[in-house]
Order: sequence, then C-alpha cells, then structure tokens
Amino acid sequence: GAVVSQHPSRVICKSGTSVKIECRSLDFQATTMFWYRQFPKKSLMLMATSNEGSKATYEQGVEKDKFLINHASLTLSTLTVTSAHPEDSSFYICSAKGQGVSREKLFFGSGTQLSVL
Amino acid sequence: QKEVEQNSGPLSVPEGAIASLNCTYSDRGSQSFFWYRQYSGKSPELIMSIYSNGDKEDGRFTAQLNKASQYVSLLIRDSQPSDSATYLCAVSRMDTGRRALTFGSGTRLQVQP
Repeated sequence: GAVVSQHPSRVICKSGTSVKIECRSLDFQATTMFWYRQFPKKSLMLMATSNEGSKATYEQGVEKDKFLINHASLTLSTLTVTSAHPEDSSFYICSAKGQGVSREKLFFGSGTQLSVL
Repeated sequence: QKEVEQNSGPLSVPEGAIASLNCTYSDRGSQSFFWYRQYSGKSPELIMSIYSNGDKEDGRFTAQLNKASQYVSLLIRDSQPSDSATYLCAVSRMDTGRRALTFGSGTRLQVQP
C-alpha cells in the first residue's frame, strides 16, 4: 500500500521558535496533501489543503502566516509552525491523496507530537 | 450541530462479543464514508470504506450505511483485546472538489479479556 512518511515524530521546542514538519509520499505522487491537528481526546481538525505547485487553502480560523505550508513537489509537503507558543502544542498529522490511488482513500503520516515549552 | 457525531464512549465489550459503533452526519451531500482505527499517539488507520446504502463486510468488520437516516455504523465481530482503540468515523463530499475528510470525535472501544 501507499506509504506516507512524516518527520519528526516528536519535537520539543522553546516558545518563539519555528518548527518544520515534513511529509513525504514514498511510492506515489501526492497531488493533494492535507494537514490535520489533533488535541488530546479530540478529533482530527483539518487545518489546510495543499495542491502541488499552488498556494494552500486554509480552514477558517487557521492563521496562514503562522502555519506555513509548502507543497513544492509531488512527493513533499512541509508545515512550518512559526513562532510557536504553548497553545500550539498538539499532534499534527499529514495525509496524502494521489493519482491512481483508490477513490477517496487518504494515507496518513505517522504524526508529529509538538510540545512547546 | 457537529458535522459528524459519535458517542465518545468508552464502549466496553467482553472478548468475543460484537462491538457496535455508531455515527451520524449532518451533510446530506456526503458521499463517502470511512471508519478509521487510532491507537493512542498514532495516526489513523483505515478500517473500512463504504459508499452505497447497505452492508459491506470485510473479515470481522461490517460497515452499514443508511443515507436516508444519515447514519453509518461499524460492527466488529469476535472482538479481541487488540481491537481496543479509538474508532473515528469520517465523511467526505465528492462534488465540491474537496477531498478532505471530516472526522467525528471518535468512540473509544475497550475489549475486556
């Protein structure tokens, strides 16, 4: 099956620093990448949708200047949390959809647990 | 009203029993329905997908969809302790060009040995 690799799996940073999370599709071309955030015991909340080569579409309430998304190639998307603060601490998960992948099936990365001190 | 609603649980069943997980959704335009299993601290894993009314069986899992009632369920037969996890219901539309899934908050299942 399709594999999506997400790194790092866990990151602890100081308040005010920026953190970059990478999501790679290893054996298919990801035409669309989705970034989700999940707080403890809560569901996944869609943050943004990115299509290769175009600007990401952000969900209402998500600050595009704070959560920078780059989808420069068909196999790589990055999420950068800029000037992270403790309230940004969460589990971030990417998912990808590619050409030729079964209808509506998304493949998830393993997630990144971000802790901002 | 939440777009996708699930009982948070926990739903506790004895080993070998049938676990029944339920989900309702508000968007009548939803056309694709999924059940994901998520272990704590891990990303979701697709269990079942269903697109048309009726039942769909895959091994110990059966998904049931009733679009008129805006209801989708997941049955797990012969429940095992390893099935203990949070089960997320997800739906999506296909006509808007959006392929993102809308998730419910999940039902925590505990299978007692």
